[in-house]
Amino acid sequence: GQQVMQIPQYQHVQEGEDFTTYCNSSTTLSNIQWYKQRPGGHPVFLIQLVKSGEVKKQKRLTFQFGEAKKNSSLHITATQTTDVGTYFCGYGGSQGNLIFGKGTKLSVKP
Amino acid sequence: DTGVSQDPRHKITKRGQNVTFRCDPISEHNRLYWYRQTLGQGPEFLTYFQNEAQLEKSRLLSDRFSAERPKGSFSTLEIQRTEQGDSAMYLCFRDEQFFGPGTRLTVL
Repeated sequence: GQQVMQIPQYQHVQEGEDFTTYCNSSTTLSNIQWYKQRPGGHPVFLIQLVKSGEVKKQKRLTFQFGEAKKNSSLHITATQTTDVGTYFCGYGGSQGNLIFGKGTKLSVKP
Repeated sequence: DTGVSQDPRHKITKRGQNVTFRCDPISEHNRLYWYRQTLGQGPEFLTYFQNEAQLEKSRLLSDRFSAERPKGSFSTLEIQRTEQGDSAMYLCFRDEQFFGPGTRLTVL
């Protein structure tokens, strides 16, 4: 069945450095969503991408959906300590549910 | 505000006890989901409801788990004869986008 691989599993950066996490699928995805989960919190919806090659920006965050709709990325420019957390991608499953990757845990050293 | 409340927020129980969690969407939403999240993992799908009908159940949902959504509004998730492996965060999810704050279950 469909599976997504999120890489890297962990990323440690110095404040001000950029950060990118990738979500890769073996099959074509109808859409992809990105979530952020702060330590001790619940996942919070960031964005949904639907179109091939789509690029969306939210302040310092840039989201991309690949041309083949098999991969996606989340890029954070000039990280801040408030960016700390785990970033998950999710996609629509065959059971009508949303299936999540294992996440990329970001830590930011001030 | 995600429009979903969950109760309780934390539950500590002894192995073998039954527990019940509740999810309340602020307003009625057609689709309501339950997910489970363990440390270091992404949320895992358990089951979902379209109004009051339970449409899909994951193989993760053993016979000890039961979920209901009477009247298509709030939902409950019951775990019978809890095991230590049931320790996790149980998350309610609506409209394919919004998670509730979760119920953290610890089974001793």
